[in-house]
Amino acid sequence: KQEVTQIPAALSVPEGENLVLNCSFTDSAIYNLQWFRQDPGKGLTSLLLIQSSQREQTSGRLNASLDKSSGRSTLYIAASQPGDSATYLCAVRHNSGAGSYQLTFGKGTKLSVIP
Amino acid sequence: ETGVTQSPTHLIKTRGQQVTLRCSSQSGHNTVSWYQQALGQGPQFIFQYYREEENGRGNFPPRFSGLQFPNYSSELNVNALELDDSALYLCASSWTGTDTQYFGPGTRLTVL
Repeated sequence: KQEVTQIPAALSVPEGENLVLNCSFTDSAIYNLQWFRQDPGKGLTSLLLIQSSQREQTSGRLNASLDKSSGRSTLYIAASQPGDSATYLCAVRHNSGAGSYQLTFGKGTKLSVIP
Repeated sequence: ETGVTQSPTHLIKTRGQQVTLRCSSQSGHNTVSWYQQALGQGPQFIFQYYREEENGRGNFPPRFSGLQFPNYSSELNVNALELDDSALYLCASSWTGTDTQYFGPGTRLTVL
């Protein structure tokens, strides 16, 4: 059974600081890994998706890396802003078959960026 | 704007009642997944529908059931509600051949 763990559970940083969020998974047979953002009481917004054959993806101030063999991913946020305050969730997809989009999520890291 | 909508936004039920939650996917999306997210937890996969048939299920009892309609809208039905069913219920839709899933804003269910 796949298990996804995110460390730390919560993080508070001053504005402008660079930060790293960690995600680990127990079964390396994944199809892809995604990082999501969730604002309080809201749905999920996909930030970055890394295929199992890729090592990293970048979007603006965000960079996600994937080391499938060791079961780890990191999300790097550069020059953090108060608007980045949210919960960040890591999720792995197991299969690539038609209609097989099941994701296993971690519990998330709650990020607070202090002005 | 993802185009995935869910209704209602919030609702309150009492233990033992039944509830139906609705999701309207983006046009052309033929796969819909439902997730349960308890407070402080990550979303848990309930089940998935592909071309109107269930084709994957997580560790949820049979009192959780669903439907997907030809217009790619879907329903999640929960019978005999329990207090632990209180959660945010999320649906996500996608199109076969792509990797992107679009999540709706969720329905907050409170069971008293």
